[in-house]
Amino acid sequence: GDQVEQSPSALSLHEGTGSALRCNFTTTMRAVQWFRKNSRGSLINLFYLASGTKENGRLKSAFDSKERYSTLHIRDAQLEDSGTYFCAASYQGGRALIFGTGTTVSVSP
Amino acid sequence: DMKVTQMPRYLIKRMGENVLLECGQDMSHETMYWYRQDPGLGLQLIYISYDVDSNSEGDIPKGYRVSRKKREHFSLILDSAKTNQTSVYFCASSPRGGETLYFGSGTRLTVL
Repeated sequence: GDQVEQSPSALSLHEGTGSALRCNFTTTMRAVQWFRKNSRGSLINLFYLASGTKENGRLKSAFDSKERYSTLHIRDAQLEDSGTYFCAASYQGGRALIFGTGTTVSVSP
Repeated sequence: DMKVTQMPRYLIKRMGENVLLECGQDMSHETMYWYRQDPGLGLQLIYISYDVDSNSEGDIPKGYRVSRKKREHFSLILDSAKTNQTSVYFCASSPRGGETLYFGSGTRLTVL
């Protein structure tokens, strides 16, 4: 079964508002990364977390290995935040990254 | 033992020299990737290969070419390396349609 369940699949925001993306894991993960995919397929790294929370500008991420989830919060959304966001997690001792199915974020004026 | 193996781990070259980075996987994965990782830029896709001799450009293919003559091997070639190609290069593979990417350990290339 799917080991990384990402939700929602699509998210529409008005400028200035905020929301959260979430990934649930079916097993214990060692670390999680959040990426934004650019228009040409590259993955821009947003966060890498082995635990706790990190914040960068208007983005904040949290990872709870024990509770098996990670979140990415967007606040004060801007038009340039539009794009597809992926979480990806790795097992204990593993190098494989298991990707979520992505969340397409659309920010409108 | 499922793994992606990259060779070499470290490489120093002079500007204008040719560079060959090798990648192998033992999982019979159809799809293979070459990325480079630079500070603040995440993983930039250079090339993707869907199978033998079925390669597509990624985000930043300029200055690179690839070769995939066997499913288990995917090579990245720099003809006449440039200093701005100094980076860490990662190879990855995934089964067709799979969402799991298996990464190699990376090759740190320095072009002087």
